[in-house]
Amino acid sequence: AQKVTQAQTEISVVEKEDVTLDCVYETRDTTYYLFWYKQPPSGELVFLIRRNSFDEQNEISGRYSWNFQKSTSSFNFTITASQVVDSAVYFCALSEAGSGNTGKLIFGQGTTLQVKP
Amino acid sequence: EPEVTQTPSHQVTQMGQEVILRCVPISNHLYFYWYRQILGQKVEFLVSFYNNEISEKSEIFDDQFSVERPDGSNFTLKIRSTKLEDSAMYFCASTRDRGHYEQYFGPGTRLTVT
Repeated sequence: AQKVTQAQTEISVVEKEDVTLDCVYETRDTTYYLFWYKQPPSGELVFLIRRNSFDEQNEISGRYSWNFQKSTSSFNFTITASQVVDSAVYFCALSEAGSGNTGKLIFGQGTTLQVKP
Repeated sequence: EPEVTQTPSHQVTQMGQEVILRCVPISNHLYFYWYRQILGQKVEFLVSFYNNEISEKSEIFDDQFSVERPDGSNFTLKIRSTKLEDSAMYFCASTRDRGHYEQYFGPGTRLTVT
């Protein structure tokens, strides 16, 4: 069965601190995609990154970085030098890509990040 | 940059009434989805649509729900007889190719059932 777990419900940090958001997933497919989305207070879902199961290279984009480890089924997200504008709910999601899959996203519960000035 | 649009942004309806939520996906996309997010909870998959038919639906998507792509551009979600528990944010999403590309989400329609 497919499942995404974000064990951290809420995280509060002070501006300029680094913060890591955890994501653990379960799937039986060997081919799958992992995503992170940001949901600011305005409510829209903003795409941050997509990763396929064959690419375990870590990725860095500005202050954002992602650590994908198949051995632990984890896809963690780190924000370096956090800013108040990073305050949002962050969702990790999984999409299985095997035969018959429709590309639907299975979301985790989300982690609410509050960055205080 | 192309984007998914949804109307209305907020809909208030009485229990038992029918509502239609509208979405205009990105024009060259082939796969379409509806998701629901009850306030403060996670985003949940409702239904996927490809080649003018439902390709998958969740257990939430019961007989009260239906989807349609009536004119090749709009993608609608109809709830026949709304219940209080249907109150949620409904997101439409589209993608060119399932899984290989990001799903582009619309801004959502907040449905309030009173």
